[in-house]
Amino acid sequence: SQTIHQWPATLVQPVGSPLSLECTVEGTSNPNLYWYRQAAGRGLQLLFYSVGIGQISSEVPQNLSASRPQDRQFILSSKKLLLSDSGFYLCAWSVLGVNTEAFFGQGTRLTVV
Amino acid sequence: GENVEQHPSTLSVQEGDSAVIKCTYSDSASNYFPWYKQELGKRPQLIIDIRSNVGEKKDQRIAVTLNKTAKHFSLHITETQPEDSAVYFCAALVSGGSYIPTFGRGTSLIVHP
Repeated sequence: SQTIHQWPATLVQPVGSPLSLECTVEGTSNPNLYWYRQAAGRGLQLLFYSVGIGQISSEVPQNLSASRPQDRQFILSSKKLLLSDSGFYLCAWSVLGVNTEAFFGQGTRLTVV
Repeated sequence: GENVEQHPSTLSVQEGDSAVIKCTYSDSASNYFPWYKQELGKRPQLIIDIRSNVGEKKDQRIAVTLNKTAKHFSLHITETQPEDSAVYFCAALVSGGSYIPTFGRGTSLIVHP
Protein backbone atom coordinates (compact mmCIF):
# COMPACT_ATOMS: atom_id res chain seq x y z
CA SER A 1 0.00 0.00 0.00
CA GLN A 2 1.04 3.56 -0.56
CA THR A 3 2.22 5.72 2.32
CA ILE A 4 3.65 9.16 2.67
CA HIS A 5 6.09 10.29 5.32
CA GLN A 6 6.71 13.90 6.18
CA TRP A 7 9.00 15.22 8.87
CA PRO A 8 9.48 16.86 11.21
CA ALA A 9 5.98 17.26 12.64
CA THR A 10 6.84 20.50 14.41
CA LEU A 11 9.71 22.91 14.04
CA VAL A 12 10.66 26.18 15.70
CA GLN A 13 13.34 28.10 13.88
CA PRO A 14 14.85 31.58 14.33
CA VAL A 15 14.54 34.21 11.64
CA GLY A 16 17.38 33.95 9.16
CA SER A 17 18.03 30.26 9.74
CA PRO A 18 17.82 27.65 6.96
CA LEU A 19 14.97 25.20 6.50
CA SER A 20 14.71 21.70 5.17
CA LEU A 21 11.47 19.70 5.22
CA GLU A 22 11.45 16.26 3.72
CA CYS A 23 8.72 14.12 2.28
CA THR A 24 8.98 10.57 0.96
CA VAL A 25 6.40 8.36 -0.68
CA GLU A 26 6.31 4.58 -0.65
CA GLY A 27 4.40 2.09 -2.74
CA THR A 28 4.01 4.04 -5.94
CA SER A 29 6.15 5.14 -8.86
CA ASN A 30 6.44 8.46 -10.62
CA PRO A 31 3.89 10.27 -8.48
CA ASN A 32 3.02 13.93 -8.79
CA LEU A 33 4.34 15.59 -5.66
CA TYR A 34 3.12 18.81 -4.06
CA TRP A 35 3.99 21.21 -1.29
CA TYR A 36 1.11 23.18 0.18
CA ARG A 37 1.08 25.79 2.90
CA GLN A 38 -1.94 26.21 5.10
CA ALA A 39 -2.29 29.58 6.81
CA ALA A 40 -5.25 30.56 8.92
CA GLY A 41 -8.14 31.67 6.74
CA ARG A 42 -6.23 31.07 3.52
CA GLY A 43 -6.89 27.45 2.83
CA LEU A 44 -4.38 25.27 1.05
CA GLN A 45 -1.98 27.33 -1.02
CA LEU A 46 0.03 25.39 -3.59
CA LEU A 47 3.71 26.29 -3.34
CA PHE A 48 5.43 23.79 -5.62
CA TYR A 49 4.61 20.75 -7.65
CA SER A 50 6.70 18.19 -9.42
CA VAL A 51 5.79 15.73 -12.15
CA GLY A 52 9.18 14.02 -12.20
CA ILE A 53 12.74 13.93 -10.89
CA GLY A 54 14.34 17.35 -11.11
CA GLN A 55 11.14 18.92 -12.45
CA ILE A 56 9.86 21.64 -10.14
CA SER A 57 7.19 24.22 -10.83
CA SER A 58 6.62 27.13 -8.51
CA GLU A 59 3.18 28.59 -8.07
CA VAL A 60 4.04 31.64 -5.99
CA PRO A 61 7.19 33.73 -5.71
CA GLN A 62 8.61 33.42 -2.26
CA ASN A 63 11.49 32.73 0.02
CA LEU A 64 11.24 28.98 -0.45
CA SER A 65 12.54 26.45 -2.95
CA ALA A 66 11.86 22.79 -3.64
CA SER A 67 13.84 19.90 -5.01
CA ARG A 68 13.13 16.35 -6.08
CA PRO A 69 16.41 14.45 -6.00
CA GLN A 70 14.70 11.05 -6.26
CA ASP A 71 11.42 9.82 -7.72
CA ARG A 72 9.69 9.58 -4.34
CA GLN A 73 11.46 12.30 -2.40
CA PHE A 74 10.42 15.92 -2.23
CA ILE A 75 12.25 18.56 -0.21
CA LEU A 76 11.17 22.06 0.76
CA SER A 77 13.99 24.44 1.62
CA SER A 78 14.87 27.96 2.52
CA LYS A 79 18.24 29.62 2.94
CA LYS A 80 16.95 32.29 5.32
CA LEU A 81 13.57 32.02 7.01
CA LEU A 82 11.28 34.99 7.45
CA LEU A 83 8.63 35.46 10.11
CA SER A 84 6.01 35.23 7.36
CA ASP A 85 7.16 31.70 6.55
CA SER A 86 5.41 30.41 9.67
CA GLY A 87 2.55 28.07 8.89
CA PHE A 88 1.47 24.50 8.43
CA TYR A 89 3.21 22.80 5.50
CA LEU A 90 1.72 19.78 3.83
CA CYS A 91 3.30 17.44 1.35
CA ALA A 92 0.99 15.48 -0.93
CA TRP A 93 1.11 13.06 -3.82
CA SER A 94 -1.17 11.82 -6.53
CA VAL A 95 -0.89 9.59 -9.55
CA LEU A 96 -2.30 10.00 -13.00
CA GLY A 97 -5.48 8.07 -13.34
CA VAL A 98 -9.23 8.16 -13.39
CA ASN A 99 -9.58 9.25 -9.77
CA THR A 100 -6.89 11.76 -8.94
CA GLU A 101 -7.06 11.67 -5.17
CA ALA A 102 -4.35 13.61 -3.36
CA PHE A 103 -2.83 11.91 -0.34
CA PHE A 104 -1.40 14.21 2.28
CA GLY A 105 1.45 13.82 4.71
CA GLN A 106 0.94 14.55 8.38
CA GLY A 107 2.11 18.12 7.97
CA THR A 108 4.83 20.22 9.58
CA ARG A 109 3.95 23.05 11.92
CA LEU A 110 6.68 25.64 11.34
CA THR A 111 7.05 28.56 13.71
CA VAL A 112 9.64 31.18 12.86
CA VAL A 113 10.64 33.23 15.88
CA GLY B 1 -5.28 28.84 -14.11
CA GLU B 2 -8.11 27.44 -12.06
CA ASN B 3 -9.68 29.52 -9.29
CA VAL B 4 -11.92 27.92 -6.68
CA GLU B 5 -14.12 29.98 -4.38
CA GLN B 6 -15.62 28.34 -1.29
CA HIS B 7 -18.38 29.58 1.02
CA PRO B 8 -19.03 29.98 3.84
CA SER B 9 -15.71 30.24 5.63
CA THR B 10 -17.35 29.15 8.88
CA LEU B 11 -20.57 27.25 9.48
CA SER B 12 -22.13 26.57 12.84
CA VAL B 13 -25.04 24.13 13.14
CA GLN B 14 -26.88 22.17 15.79
CA GLU B 15 -26.49 18.43 15.92
CA GLY B 16 -29.01 16.81 13.60
CA ASP B 17 -29.24 19.78 11.27
CA SER B 18 -28.01 19.75 7.68
CA ALA B 19 -24.93 21.60 6.47
CA VAL B 20 -24.23 22.83 2.97
CA ILE B 21 -20.91 24.10 1.65
CA LYS B 22 -20.70 25.64 -1.79
CA CYS B 23 -17.85 26.03 -4.25
CA THR B 24 -17.46 27.63 -7.65
CA TYR B 25 -14.69 27.10 -10.15
CA SER B 26 -13.48 29.01 -13.17
CA ASP B 27 -11.86 26.52 -15.54
CA SER B 28 -14.48 24.81 -17.69
CA ALA B 29 -11.94 22.06 -18.40
CA SER B 30 -12.02 20.90 -14.77
CA ASN B 31 -13.68 17.51 -14.58
CA TYR B 32 -12.89 16.08 -11.16
CA PHE B 33 -14.12 17.60 -7.91
CA PRO B 34 -12.97 16.06 -4.63
CA TRP B 35 -13.87 17.10 -1.12
CA TYR B 36 -11.44 16.76 1.78
CA LYS B 37 -12.04 16.77 5.50
CA GLN B 38 -9.35 17.97 7.87
CA GLU B 39 -9.85 17.30 11.54
CA LEU B 40 -8.01 19.46 14.02
CA GLY B 41 -4.27 18.85 13.85
CA LYS B 42 -4.58 16.17 11.20
CA ARG B 43 -4.02 15.86 7.49
CA PRO B 44 -6.78 16.46 4.92
CA GLN B 45 -8.41 13.26 3.72
CA LEU B 46 -10.73 12.60 0.83
CA ILE B 47 -14.34 12.02 1.87
CA ILE B 48 -16.21 12.13 -1.43
CA ASP B 49 -15.62 13.12 -5.02
CA ILE B 50 -17.60 13.64 -8.18
CA ARG B 51 -16.70 13.54 -11.82
CA SER B 52 -18.12 15.84 -14.43
CA ASN B 53 -20.23 13.14 -16.08
CA VAL B 54 -22.59 12.91 -13.09
CA GLY B 55 -24.71 15.49 -11.35
CA GLU B 56 -24.95 13.97 -7.89
CA LYS B 57 -23.23 11.40 -5.74
CA LYS B 58 -24.21 10.19 -2.30
CA ASP B 59 -22.42 8.24 0.40
CA GLN B 60 -24.50 7.72 3.53
CA ARG B 61 -24.94 11.14 5.16
CA ILE B 62 -22.84 13.08 2.69
CA ALA B 63 -23.67 14.00 -0.87
CA VAL B 64 -22.14 16.18 -3.52
CA THR B 65 -23.91 17.91 -6.38
CA LEU B 66 -22.37 19.40 -9.50
CA ASN B 67 -23.73 21.94 -11.93
CA LYS B 68 -21.29 22.14 -14.83
CA THR B 69 -23.20 24.86 -16.61
CA ALA B 70 -23.01 27.16 -13.63
CA LYS B 71 -19.59 25.84 -12.61
CA HIS B 72 -20.52 25.17 -9.04
CA PHE B 73 -20.60 22.15 -6.78
CA SER B 74 -21.78 21.64 -3.24
CA LEU B 75 -21.26 19.35 -0.29
CA HIS B 76 -24.33 18.35 1.71
CA ILE B 77 -24.11 16.74 5.13
CA THR B 78 -27.35 15.54 6.67
CA GLU B 79 -28.04 14.65 10.30
CA THR B 80 -24.82 16.29 11.39
CA GLN B 81 -22.94 14.89 14.36
CA PRO B 82 -20.25 16.48 16.57
CA GLU B 83 -17.62 14.31 14.88
CA ASP B 84 -18.43 16.07 11.61
CA SER B 85 -16.77 19.17 13.07
CA ALA B 86 -13.72 19.86 10.91
CA VAL B 87 -12.43 22.01 8.09
CA TYR B 88 -13.73 20.98 4.70
CA PHE B 89 -11.96 21.78 1.45
CA CYS B 90 -13.33 21.55 -2.03
CA ALA B 91 -11.02 21.19 -5.00
CA ALA B 92 -11.17 21.16 -8.75
CA LEU B 93 -8.75 19.77 -11.29
CA VAL B 94 -8.42 18.56 -14.81
CA SER B 95 -8.09 14.80 -14.61
CA GLY B 96 -6.18 13.99 -17.75
CA GLY B 97 -4.43 17.33 -17.78
CA SER B 98 -2.15 18.76 -15.16
CA TYR B 99 -3.74 16.77 -12.33
CA ILE B 100 -2.98 19.63 -9.97
CA PRO B 101 -5.79 20.17 -7.48
CA THR B 102 -6.76 23.74 -6.78
CA PHE B 103 -8.34 24.03 -3.37
CA GLY B 104 -10.91 26.36 -1.96
CA ARG B 105 -10.08 28.30 1.19
CA GLY B 106 -11.87 25.85 3.42
CA THR B 107 -14.99 25.87 5.59
CA SER B 108 -14.76 25.41 9.31
CA LEU B 109 -17.83 23.39 10.28
CA ILE B 110 -18.81 23.35 13.93
CA VAL B 111 -21.55 21.00 15.05
CA HIS B 112 -22.93 21.83 18.48
CA PRO B 113 -24.26 18.90 20.51
